[in-house]
Amino acid sequence: GESVGLHLPTLSVQEGDNSIINCAYSNSASDYFIWYKQESGKGPQFIIDIRSNMDKRQGQRVTVLLNKTVKHLSLQIAATQPGDSAVYFCAESPLSQKLVFGQGTRLTINP
Amino acid sequence: GAVVSQHPSWVICKSGTSVKIECRSLDFQATTMFWYRQFPKQSLMLMATSNEGSKATYEQGVEKDKFLINHASLTLSTLTVTSAHPEDSSFYICSARDWGGASTEAFFGQGTRLTVV
Repeated sequence: GESVGLHLPTLSVQEGDNSIINCAYSNSASDYFIWYKQESGKGPQFIIDIRSNMDKRQGQRVTVLLNKTVKHLSLQIAATQPGDSAVYFCAESPLSQKLVFGQGTRLTINP
Repeated sequence: GAVVSQHPSWVICKSGTSVKIECRSLDFQATTMFWYRQFPKQSLMLMATSNEGSKATYEQGVEKDKFLINHASLTLSTLTVTSAHPEDSSFYICSARDWGGASTEAFFGQGTRLTVV
C-alpha cells in the first residue's frame, strides 16, 4: 500500500559528522529508488538514485545503499553541513513510473 | 537539467470557490505527470497520474470530481480543486519524468500552498 507519514522522525548530527538516514520500503517489485531533500515550503529536490541491480551508488558527498533482502535503503551524507538541514524522503518505484514516498526524516545540524 | 514549473506558488481562496494549479515541463515533453498532496509534517501522497490526451488515473480515496485534472498538451497539466473547503488546505506538488533524458529522474515543481478560508 501507499506509505503514509503520521510524524517525522528526527536525526540530529554535529556539523562535520557523517549522517545516515534509513528507509524501509514496502514493494518488493520496486526496482528504482530515489532520495529527495525537501526544504521548508519547497518541492522535493533530487539527491541520488539507485536501481535494484546495484547495492551501492556514490555521488558528491552522498552514498545510497540498497539491501533488497530486507527491503532497506539508506542515505549517507559525509561531512554534514548546515545547508544539509532539511527533510529527507526515500521514494520507490517500479519502472511503470509511479513514485511512492516514505515517511521522511528531518535532519538537523548542531553547530 | 529538466525543469518543472508550478503556478501559483501560493493561493488563498474562499470556501466554495475553485482553484486551478498549473504544472509545466519547461524543456521536455511529459506524457505523464503526477500530482501529490502534502500535509504539514507528513510525506507526499500521490493523488493522481495525469495522462496527456486521456483521463487521469486517481489513487484510492481521491475524489475525481473534486480534483479535476486536465493534461491537454505534452508540457502542461492542470489540477483544479473544485468547491474548496478548509480541509483541502495543503501543499500541492506536481512531478514529471523526462523519459527522453539520460536518466528516469522525476522532477518536481516548487509546490503550491493552498489555503482555503
